[in-house]
Amino acid sequence: QVQLVESGGGLVKPGGSLRLSCAASGFSFSDYYMSWIRQAPGKGLEWVSYIGPGGTNIYYADSVKGRFTISRDNAKNSLYLQMNSLRADDSAVYYCARAPRQPDSWGQGTLVIVSS
Amino acid sequence: DVVMTQSPLSLPVTLGQPASISCRSSQSLVYSDGNIYLSWFQQRPGQSPRRLIYRVSNRDSGVPDRFSGSGSGTDFTLKISRVEADDVGVYYCMQGTHWPGTFGQGTKVEIK
Repeated sequence: QVQLVESGGGLVKPGGSLRLSCAASGFSFSDYYMSWIRQAPGKGLEWVSYIGPGGTNIYYADSVKGRFTISRDNAKNSLYLQMNSLRADDSAVYYCARAPRQPDSWGQGTLVIVSS
Repeated sequence: DVVMTQSPLSLPVTLGQPASISCRSSQSLVYSDGNIYLSWFQQRPGQSPRRLIYRVSNRDSGVPDRFSGSGSGTDFTLKISRVEADDVGVYYCMQGTHWPGTFGQGTKVEIK
């Protein structure tokens, strides 16, 4: 079955960087759009970014544009999110999800806390 | 960005009774391919979101037929025909027609 496992979250100071990873299994990873979606503690869901199957066709939410970079390695069935210049309002659980328009599978999430 | 407005935000329901959640979008969700990318998600306490319904009314595999979706244009509804204890959680509508995809605020379903 489809499995998405995120890692790389943690506590980071404002202005710092983190790289999130998502390991995919159970489906043909290279055929699918993939997304990052986040949820601040006790809050709703916010789309962060998505990437096309070949690594092109990339979109970012305005709130992260210029600071976050999405990428993928189809040979490793992995999705990444490089997060730079982190701010307190980036604190959230970050979910990896399959497909851009109607995410049908989600990982368990990885928690990012930006605090001094 | 397209604004998705859900109501109510809190929904206490008696076990076995029906429940209905409304979702309204700030603009039409008809995509250029003719589809409407409106989905519903359930998030149980401490869990990741789970998709229940896609393209307005299509139930995902394994989703009980107690759940149904309907709507068109800018107005959409999720109905639970008979609420069970397992249905407790927060329900979100989401549009994927216009980038960025946007979610409603969430409706918290609890048992009275």
